[in-house]
Amino acid sequence: NAGVTQTPKFQVLKTGQSMTLQCAQDMNHEYMSWYRQDPGMGLRLIHYSVGAGITDQGEVPNGYNVSRSTTEDFPLRLLSAAPSQTSVYFCASSYALAGAHFQYFGAGTRLSVL
Amino acid sequence: DQQVKQNSPSLSVQEGRISILNCDYTNSMFDYFLWYKKYPAEGPTFLISISSIKDKNEDGRFTVFLNKSAKHLSLHIVPSQPGDSAVYFCAARIYIQGAQKLVFGQGTRLTINP
Repeated sequence: NAGVTQTPKFQVLKTGQSMTLQCAQDMNHEYMSWYRQDPGMGLRLIHYSVGAGITDQGEVPNGYNVSRSTTEDFPLRLLSAAPSQTSVYFCASSYALAGAHFQYFGAGTRLSVL
Repeated sequence: DQQVKQNSPSLSVQEGRISILNCDYTNSMFDYFLWYKKYPAEGPTFLISISSIKDKNEDGRFTVFLNKSAKHLSLHIVPSQPGDSAVYFCAARIYIQGAQKLVFGQGTRLTINP
């Protein structure tokens, strides 16, 4: 019963490097999203997807790309990492139904950009 | 523009007493309000929710109250237990262009003292 799996758990990057944060869910959820958590800021939505092949921007999308080629996977790409992207990243998923109003979260990826 | 605010960064409560966590919001289009609980190094987990058409929802030791006229909700935990020590996030759901989005508050760190 894996739920939402995020890899890696920790990552250190140098400014300008690129990397992909992986997210996979095994609950056949249509809706997936990425958040970042910063001190005093709560969780802020980066990108989201309502189904395979469909993605859209959230509140803080700059510097991040996403794609959704399958229902299960929703990777987040940092093309050129910046120190401002140091944060804890959470992936979440849920059914895209009006009654399914809460999301399941992964354990997070702690990213440091030097 | 912080649409969901938790003005208390931290709260300390004696074991067995009542814990009250507060949350204010500004957008009257939110249709569901949720509380998430987060332990260190884990993702947020859903705790309890309330529809915007109700004023109270109870689940065991947890009760959420919604005051729509004041745009205020609160989470009551009674009696408080040491395992309740965690960060609590208030979140509000809104539908935009057919996609549900959660807007989170900054979080309140609850510490239950034995």
